[in-house]
Amino acid sequence: GQNIDQPTEMTATEGAIVQINCTYQTSGFNGLFWYQQHAGEAPTFLSYNVLDGLEEKGRFSSFLSRSKGYSYLLLKELQMKDSASYLCAVIDSNYQLIWGAGTKLIIKP
Amino acid sequence: ETGVTQTPRHLVMGMTNKKSLKCEQHLGHNAMYWYKQSAKKPLELMFVYNFKEQTENNSVPSRFSPECPNSSHLFLHLHTLQPEDSALYLCASRHPDGGMENTGELFFGEGSRLTVL
Repeated sequence: GQNIDQPTEMTATEGAIVQINCTYQTSGFNGLFWYQQHAGEAPTFLSYNVLDGLEEKGRFSSFLSRSKGYSYLLLKELQMKDSASYLCAVIDSNYQLIWGAGTKLIIKP
Repeated sequence: ETGVTQTPRHLVMGMTNKKSLKCEQHLGHNAMYWYKQSAKKPLELMFVYNFKEQTENNSVPSRFSPECPNSSHLFLHLHTLQPEDSALYLCASRHPDGGMENTGELFFGEGSRLTVL
């Protein structure tokens, strides 16, 4: 079966750095997305990785290792508004999106 | 504002009621999706429409009936639902081809929070 694993919940301190991991076992790979979802709001696109390496976008970076079936989302200089759920999703060989259950990130002052 | 609008935002219905969820996108996309989001579970794909044609029905019970009259509008008709159908129902749209100009990411609406009593 296909599976995406990410931690259920993480806590971090304002101003710090946090890394949210995502491991996947899918039938093929055609890209990986990270989405942010604030409570009661729409998931919004953060990043897309299809090649190995680090993609940096402001305070957020996303890393991919296809050989390890692994990605992480790195959030720097954490702000209270970063409190949200972070969803990892992989496009499989049939171009279907396989979703993780999301990681709820709690930022404390 | 993601360009995808869902109404109503909240809906409470009894098991014998009939109601509909509506989704509208202003992005010029040709693919539209219904997802079910339950607490601490992955998003569950329900239906996919490409160019108004249903291309995927992910073994969804017949008490959920989708309708796509045009590429900008998508409905989910609800009939004799069960309490376990209570969830957040998300609509999304996407340019189906991906390509160099975009990653083919999904654009989501804010969802309709459904409670079945």
